[in-house]
Amino acid sequence: ETGVTQSPTHLIKTRGQQVTLRCSSQSGHNTVSWYQQALGQGPQFIFQYYREEENGRGNFPPRFSGLQFPNYSSELNVNALELDDSALYLCASSRTSGGTDTQYFGPGTRLTVL
Amino acid sequence: AQSVTQLGSHVSVSEGALVLLRCNYSSSVPPYLFWYVQYPNQGLQLLLKYTTGATLVKGINGFEAEFKKSETSFHLTKPSAHMSDAAEYFCAVTEETSGSRLTFGEGTQLTVNP
Repeated sequence: ETGVTQSPTHLIKTRGQQVTLRCSSQSGHNTVSWYQQALGQGPQFIFQYYREEENGRGNFPPRFSGLQFPNYSSELNVNALELDDSALYLCASSRTSGGTDTQYFGPGTRLTVL
Repeated sequence: AQSVTQLGSHVSVSEGALVLLRCNYSSSVPPYLFWYVQYPNQGLQLLLKYTTGATLVKGINGFEAEFKKSETSFHLTKPSAHMSDAAEYFCAVTEETSGSRLTFGEGTQLTVNP
């Protein structure tokens, strides 16, 4: 069984640019959640996708957007990058969107904004 | 709204000593509680979770946690620390009404001294 994978592993961008991060969910999972983990902090929920629809959003501006595809893989897009967007971006997949379902995390994408 | 407080951003123990990492939560409805571990430059790995039923939960690598509703706590323990336990530990909470959106604490960095 393949786990959650993310690409790229590292990325360097400049302020104002746009970035797309990708996530492949674990086999059999239809829900993907994205989190932002700033250095020295716990992960913060960005949003969740369930069966290709956004299913909840955290306190992030609209320049953070996402997609989920029919195979349940997902993208996170960030426009107009700011220095504070520098963080580890974690993707997690789960079997459903239920609260008891365990979320399995990928290794993350480290984004640096200069 | 749900929230998590982890007391002690850094905990240091000797190899073979008891590990105790503290977590208190706030939730307006019955919570689901999780402990995750993060090794350097990696994603999050689930150690254990509490949903319903038995309040003492056993996880991987010899860790366990006890849900105490009256104290709103979910402390993580391990009887005997091993060098390989050195990592960052995150407590997280979710509620059925919020789907599987996880709210994380700030994390506790565990150091194990030889």
